[in-house]
Amino acid sequence: DSGVTQTPKHLITATGQRVTLRCSPRSGDLSVYWYQQSLDQGLQFLIQYYNGEERAKGNILERFSAQQFPDLHSELNLSSLELGDSALYFCASSPSSSGNTIYFGEGSWLTVV
Amino acid sequence: GENVEQHPSTLSVQEGDSAVIKCTYSDSASNYFPWYKQELGKRPQLIIDIRSNVGEKKDQRIAVTLNKTAKHFSLHITETQPEDSAVYFCAAKDSNYQLIWGAGTKLIIKP
Repeated sequence: DSGVTQTPKHLITATGQRVTLRCSPRSGDLSVYWYQQSLDQGLQFLIQYYNGEERAKGNILERFSAQQFPDLHSELNLSSLELGDSALYFCASSPSSSGNTIYFGEGSWLTVV
Repeated sequence: GENVEQHPSTLSVQEGDSAVIKCTYSDSASNYFPWYKQELGKRPQLIIDIRSNVGEKKDQRIAVTLNKTAKHFSLHITETQPEDSAVYFCAAKDSNYQLIWGAGTKLIIKP
């Protein structure tokens, strides 16, 4: 158990819908990262937050947005969903903004039908 | 910006043999290089890492070597076992403190 908690574990939704994925980082970690992993693909970095502020942005679509709340949990919002958004979405956390080791949650499986 | 290339994309070895996965990076300022193992349907987990001030690090059957001049680092697994079957990802921390990931190597251990 990495200490990073993600909910929901599985989610099936229809095209055009909007979903929210939630992440609670490890106790004491200030940075949260979101990654997308499509079937048999690598880890695509989406976005990083540090202590409530956006720290870095990767290949995140405009239909996607994220935020980190004062209690440090984070949410990833995916809207106008398309079939191609079906993927495993990982949240990871680290103690600092330049954290060397990042710890991944178990992921949220999103299936868009 | 930093670019990390990982080879091979798939590696099949006989149980008991050694496996080597290689990554190259482009940013000479990169100073931290972790390796993660991802079993099917599971989360990536850190298995070993190395910083730029050392050339090699070992942990039981796993070792990582770093050649800063050539800008490449490698993962070595000796005496492979069935539970080593997984996808392995390398990464490099760039000058913006971001981890840049390789594309992954699927390691298959043949019985």
